[in-house]
Amino acid sequence: GQNIDQPTEMTATEGAIVQINCTYQTSGFNGLFWYQQHAGEAPTFLSYNVLDGLEEKGRFSSFLSRSKGYSYLLLKELQMKDSASYLCATPKRDKIIFGKGTRLHILP
Amino acid sequence: EAGVTQSPTHLIKTRGQQATLRCSPISGHTSVYWYQQALGLGLQFLLWYDEGEERNRGNFPPRFSGRQFPNYSSELNVNALELEDSALYLCASSAAGLPTDTQYFGPGTRLTVL
Repeated sequence: GQNIDQPTEMTATEGAIVQINCTYQTSGFNGLFWYQQHAGEAPTFLSYNVLDGLEEKGRFSSFLSRSKGYSYLLLKELQMKDSASYLCATPKRDKIIFGKGTRLHILP
Repeated sequence: EAGVTQSPTHLIKTRGQQATLRCSPISGHTSVYWYQQALGLGLQFLLWYDEGEERNRGNFPPRFSGRQFPNYSSELNVNALELEDSALYLCASSAAGLPTDTQYFGPGTRLTVL
């Protein structure tokens, strides 16, 4: 199968921390992408994990566990501009499969 | 450096008509991907072109077709439009012919079929 699953929606408060999870089929694993997509705009690249562990980039960090088929995106010190959809995606040999995206709502 | 560009921004057609969408990749990128993003369905892979050739296509009917030109720009054609073809069509480019390369997306073409 080619399932890649993530929660549909999440809500968090400005200044807080939120973790967005993503699970995927482990067969033919070639890494895990995270993209951010603001409403009405194109997705933009956030991170690409190939090895296990946590990679930090400023307020955003991405974690990968290849054995568990699991990744998460961690957003710290949430700002209103972080309100967006977050897409995880796995590249296969001849295409890339995207999850349906997690819509993140930030409350003031 | 210019990003990925797409035209037109919006397109309104009626059922049965044909639509042509265009994409120009980032300079130096040879791969172009097309996706359909309909409400509630996420990004659905449509087509992948690299070096002028079709490398793969997603699970869409043959009335979805396209091509890549020698300058690596690309065109997506949708024939015999149906109401459910209404969606945002996104084009992305990458530097080399590998799905593991980071993809850079254009702003999309919003297709509305009436």
